[in-house]
Amino acid sequence: SQKIEQNSEALNIQEGKTATLTCNYTNYSPAYLQWYRQDPGRGPVFLLLIRENEKEKRKERLKVTFDTTLKQSLFHITASQPADSATYLCALPPTSGTYKYIFGTGTRLKVLA
Amino acid sequence: GAVVSQHPSWVICKSGTSVKIECRSLDFQATTMFWYRQFPKQSLMLMATSNEGSKATYEQGVEKDKFLINHASLTLSTLTVTSAHPEDSSFYICSARDHSGSISTDTQYFGPGTRLTVL
Repeated sequence: SQKIEQNSEALNIQEGKTATLTCNYTNYSPAYLQWYRQDPGRGPVFLLLIRENEKEKRKERLKVTFDTTLKQSLFHITASQPADSATYLCALPPTSGTYKYIFGTGTRLKVLA
Repeated sequence: GAVVSQHPSWVICKSGTSVKIECRSLDFQATTMFWYRQFPKQSLMLMATSNEGSKATYEQGVEKDKFLINHASLTLSTLTVTSAHPEDSSFYICSARDHSGSISTDTQYFGPGTRLTVL
């Protein structure tokens, strides 16, 4: 079955540095991959979608890469700020014939001032 | 952007009562809506998938008679927790799939969540 893994439960970095979060998946060749942000006590918020034919996608200080050979996506936040502290989730779309998205367990990022 | 609302944002009820949570897609039609449950510091747990006009598909281990889902229109789905007990206390989150026909818009948008506390 499809499996998705995100690196480490928590990541602490200093303000101003670049945070890099990893999402690895197996047994799947998704047409795209998504990243979400979730704050405590809130629902996830959609950030970025990257397609299989896109190597990289950017949105303001966010950058996502998608390596279909390695079956990996990297999520970068440049010039990180304490306000970026949250849990970040990666998600794969439903496989053929299903409606179920596959979510990673998330990585908790804490940006230290 | 696509917005999903959820109501109420929190509810406290007595054991044995039923609680209804509403999920609405405000600016798009959602043929598919999802209901998740999340415990503190844990990942999203899919409870059921509901398609407009048809019966919901429940995940293994989720009691369909306890968690009633109604997806009556393209913009509204409801989750009713029947005869709630303290162990049903959790954070419930709905989401709606915006599937307009292209990959770039096939995205799941989440509501803000409902915190249910059963005394």
